[in-house]
Amino acid sequence: SQQGEEDPQALSIQEGENATMNCSYKTSINNLQWYRQNSGRGLVHLILIRSNEREKHSGRLRVTLDTSKKSSSLLITASRAADTASYFCATDFKAAGNKLTFGGGTRVLVKP
Amino acid sequence: EPEVTQTPSHQVTQMGQEVILRCVPISNHLYFYWYRQILGQKVEFLVSFYNNEISEKSEIFDDQFSVERPDGSNFTLKIRSTKLEDSAMYFCASSEEGGRGPQHFGDGTRLSIL
Repeated sequence: SQQGEEDPQALSIQEGENATMNCSYKTSINNLQWYRQNSGRGLVHLILIRSNEREKHSGRLRVTLDTSKKSSSLLITASRAADTASYFCATDFKAAGNKLTFGGGTRVLVKP
Repeated sequence: EPEVTQTPSHQVTQMGQEVILRCVPISNHLYFYWYRQILGQKVEFLVSFYNNEISEKSEIFDDQFSVERPDGSNFTLKIRSTKLEDSAMYFCASSEEGGRGPQHFGDGTRLSIL
C-alpha cells in the first residue's frame, strides 16, 4: 500500500484542549490533503498542503508536512464539541494520476 | 456555497440487480470521481472522469461498473449485477483542478445489497 496508517486511530479530549493526529505515506506526493467526516456524512475538505510547503494554517487548524519523513500532522487548537468527527489524510501521489489515496482516519471525540 | 448532491441517500437492492447512483457535481468543475467506503474501512478510489472519458480506474472498478455523464450535469455510477460485497457508502466528488486541488464530496449513497 502506498498509504501508511494514521495515528492515533482514536482520540478523546476535553473541550479547549488541542488535538494532534499524524499521517504517514510511502511514495512521493504532489500534495497532501486533510478531510473531516461527520458520522453518516460526506468528506469535507479542510486544508491542502503542497509538497514544497512545510506548514499551513487555516483558522484553528495547523498542518505540517515533512517530506523527508513522509509524514504530516494536523493540529486542531482549542477544540470544540463540534470538532467531534473522523479526520482523514489523503495524498495525491505523483505516480497516481489525479485520484486521492486516503488513510484509515483518526476518530476524534471532544467532550464538553 | 455550491455543493455536490447525490441521490438516493439510501438504496436497498436484491443481489444480482442493477443499481444506478446519481450525482450532480459542482457546475464549473471538470474532474469527477467515485469513491466507496465499506463500513469501518478506508475510503477507496473507484474511478475518475475527465473530458467525457474515464481517466483512471482502480482494480475494484471491474466490468460490472460503468460511469456516465449523460446530460452535462449528472454523473452516474452503474453497477450491473450487484454482489453482497458491493454494500458500502458510495461518494461522488468533483474538482476544478483534479488531484492538484481540493475535491468536494457529496454526502454519499448508502447501498445495501440483500
